[in-house]
Parts: sequence; structure tokens; C-alpha cells
Amino acid sequence: AQTVTQSQPEMSVQEAETVTLSCTYDTSENNYYLFWYKQPPSRQMILVIRQEAYKQQNATENRFSVNFQKAAKSFSLKISDSQLGDTAMYFCAFILNTNAGKSTFGDGTTLTVKP
Amino acid sequence: GAGVSQTPSNKVTEKGKYVELRCDPISGHTALYWYRQSLGQGPEFLIYFQGTGAADDSGLPNDRFFAVRPEGSVSTLKIQRTERGDSAVYLCASSLNRGNTEAFFGQGTRLTVV
Repeated sequence: AQTVTQSQPEMSVQEAETVTLSCTYDTSENNYYLFWYKQPPSRQMILVIRQEAYKQQNATENRFSVNFQKAAKSFSLKISDSQLGDTAMYFCAFILNTNAGKSTFGDGTTLTVKP
Repeated sequence: GAGVSQTPSNKVTEKGKYVELRCDPISGHTALYWYRQSLGQGPEFLIYFQGTGAADDSGLPNDRFFAVRPEGSVSTLKIQRTERGDSAVYLCASSLNRGNTEAFFGQGTRLTVV
């Protein structure tokens, strides 16, 4: 079974600063996808960024980037130039390519951006 | 509609009652997922539909939980003989095809069993 661990229940950052959220996962499989989702108080999960395990290049989406270390099974999210609207819960998620209907999520990190 | 729609937004029911939670996916999305999110935790997989059929229902906790998607669009999650432990936010998501593409989530139904 796959597991996803987010070891930081809460994080805070000053507006315009950079913050990194940690995620580790455990799997014996080789082909999978990793995601970061944002969940604001409205409860709606929004995809932030996605990484294919077979790609060595780290994914980036504007102010969001990941540090994917496959051997270490680590997938951290870096948010640059933090904005007040980034305040939310962030979830790391894992999908096996062979069972692409079933995502495994971590328990989330609550990020607060302070003015 | 433009996004995934879940109704009702909130549902309070008495222990032992039957409830139905509805999910309207994005038009044209063949894959549909149900997750349960307890307070302070990440979403937990329940069931995944590809078209009308349940491709993976391994996350349903017991036989009180059942889900259908008869026409390959709207899905209903049904919970019989509700228990207080069923209280959670039930999230629905859909994607164009399989789960390795972007999944779009609804705002969830908060179920409270009293």
C-alpha cells in the first residue's frame, strides 16, 4: 500500500517571502504521479502542480515549484513571493499509473500567509 | 455546468437514517471519484467510476455504503443506517479520463450524523 506523509501540520510565512512544504511518500512501484492540491475554507480542492515520476525535471507553475527527489521519495512544494490568497490547507497526493482512479492523500499542511 | 456540483452542501441526519449525496461532474468527464474527508485529515478514497461502472470500490468502508452512476454522468453516494462516525465531508471529483489527468473537485457535502 502507498502512504503519503506531510510532517508539518502548520506553517506560516510573511507576505512576499518563500516557504517550502514537505511531503514524503512510500511505494515500491516505479510509475506514478504526484500532486499538490490547495484547499481553501470553501472546501474545494484545487490542483496546484503535478509531477510525473518518470520526468527528472522538476515541475513549475508560476510561483509554485517542486523539488522531486525520487530516490528519497520526497516531493516538496516551494511557494515564492507568497500572497495572502495562498492561505489554505495544502495536500500532497499520489496516484499509481496502474490504478489511476485512486489517489492517496497526506493529512495536509495549514499554511498561513501573514501581512 | 462549469464545475463539479455537489448537493446538498450540508446535511444533518439522525443516527440510523438513510442519506443520499449527489454529484454532478463536469460535462464530458468519464471518470468520477468519491472521497471522504474527516476533520483534520486528508481525503480518503472511497470509489472510482469509469463511465457507468465502478472500476475500484475498494475504499468503501462497509456494506452500508453504496454508489451508483447509472448513465455515466450524475453519481449518487448512498449511506444506509448512518452512524455518528460517518460524519465527514464527502468530496466528489471528475476528470476527463483517468486519474493521472487533472481531477476537478466539487465543494463537498458536509454530513453530520446526530
